[in-house]
Amino acid sequence: AQRVTQPEKLLSVFKGAPVELKCNYSYSGSPELFWYVQYSRQRLQLLLRHISRESIKGFTADLNKGETSFHLKKPFAQEEDSAMYYCALRGTGTASKLTFGTGTRLQVTL
Amino acid sequence: DAGVTQSPTHLIKTRGQHVTLRCSPISGHKSVSWYQQVLGQGPQFIFQYYEKEERGRGNFPDRFSARQFPNYSSELNVNALLLGDSALYLCASSLEGIANEKLFFGSGTQLSVL
Repeated sequence: AQRVTQPEKLLSVFKGAPVELKCNYSYSGSPELFWYVQYSRQRLQLLLRHISRESIKGFTADLNKGETSFHLKKPFAQEEDSAMYYCALRGTGTASKLTFGTGTRLQVTL
Repeated sequence: DAGVTQSPTHLIKTRGQHVTLRCSPISGHKSVSWYQQVLGQGPQFIFQYYEKEERGRGNFPDRFSARQFPNYSSELNVNALLLGDSALYLCASSLEGIANEKLFFGSGTQLSVL
């Protein structure tokens, strides 16, 4: 079975502070890991995925297979980063099937 | 590019009724997936269709069914509605529905069962 755990429902940080959104997963094979974001009144959209090893809007995430984690990080939070963030996993051979975590709401305050 | 479109945006039904939700994928996308998002939870996979064939099914009862049409649009049907079916139903499309593809989500249909 595959499972994604996001332990924090809400993370509140000050503008300019570092951000780390935690994600742990359980999967027996080699998963693909993703971070999706949903801004207020917008649709769910892909933020980044581990195979691309890219930085989007200043966010990065490294897949740690030893700790089965895929934490999302940003060195300096901006107000526009306030949103709902979902970590998701896609197993081998499961095509479009994504398993999502319960999400973390990031609130960036002045 | 209109993106993935879903209709209706909101729907209210009573227990025992039947509902049909509709999704139009991005032009050129042949794969459509359906997800259920209950309040406070992440989206949960229901179905994937590609070229009118079911490619995957999540852990949902047989009351849930779907189909895909020749123009790649899709319908999700739910029979004998229960209160617990109240949720946001999301549709996502991709080119071929294979690994490494990016999924594009619609805005969803908010279903309330009374």
